[in-house]
Amino acid sequence: SQQGEEDPQALSIQEGENATMNCSYKTSINNLQWYRQNSGRGLVHLILIRSNEREKHSGRLRVTLDTSKKSSSLLITASRAADTASYFCATDLSGSARQLTFGSGTQLTVLP
Amino acid sequence: KAGVTQTPRYLIKTRGQQVTLSCSPISGHRSVSWYQQTPGQGLQFLFEYFSETQRNKGNFPGRFSGRQFSNSRSEMNVSTLELGDSALYLCASKQQGSTDTQYFGPGTRLTVL
Repeated sequence: SQQGEEDPQALSIQEGENATMNCSYKTSINNLQWYRQNSGRGLVHLILIRSNEREKHSGRLRVTLDTSKKSSSLLITASRAADTASYFCATDLSGSARQLTFGSGTQLTVLP
Repeated sequence: KAGVTQTPRYLIKTRGQQVTLSCSPISGHRSVSWYQQTPGQGLQFLFEYFSETQRNKGNFPGRFSGRQFSNSRSEMNVSTLELGDSALYLCASKQQGSTDTQYFGPGTRLTVL
């Protein structure tokens, strides 16, 4: 079963705009990660945020984590057509990152 | 470093057959995990191996099995294939640290006819 739900399921924006995706999860976590997947290929790790962190940045990515609401958001600023992909949040219940539980994903389309 | 490699990339089998998928982790990574991705169930954890031992197992029937070799390469086997086993099977490797990231391979697309 999936740990989390992502919202929205699909998002379509113009190049240059910002994209925000949300992830909610059910149980306490040690950390939460975001991955990107291009059209049925492997997953690419984007960013990891620990349960004691509230916000983290990496390039054009900004991730927030609210453990009281059991939710996280991923913001991609100044989006590009190459950002078109599915984005998944993954929670690590064990703390050892050996078994990730993935959300349902958000399909982002960035129109040129 | 070379990334995680998976072979074959595509596979077509018929119901009742068995299949073996292979995964070579990043050099130095001793933990290998397997995931199944389907449109209906999404990404689901199958099992994880470390030092040739299965440490974690997801909620899958016994038809799904795996093993890891001394060089950390891993294989997963699905016996008596069913149509519902059609999926993208992803392998991921990581180092031993507690917060190390899992690095995923490109996956093997299995189609069961």
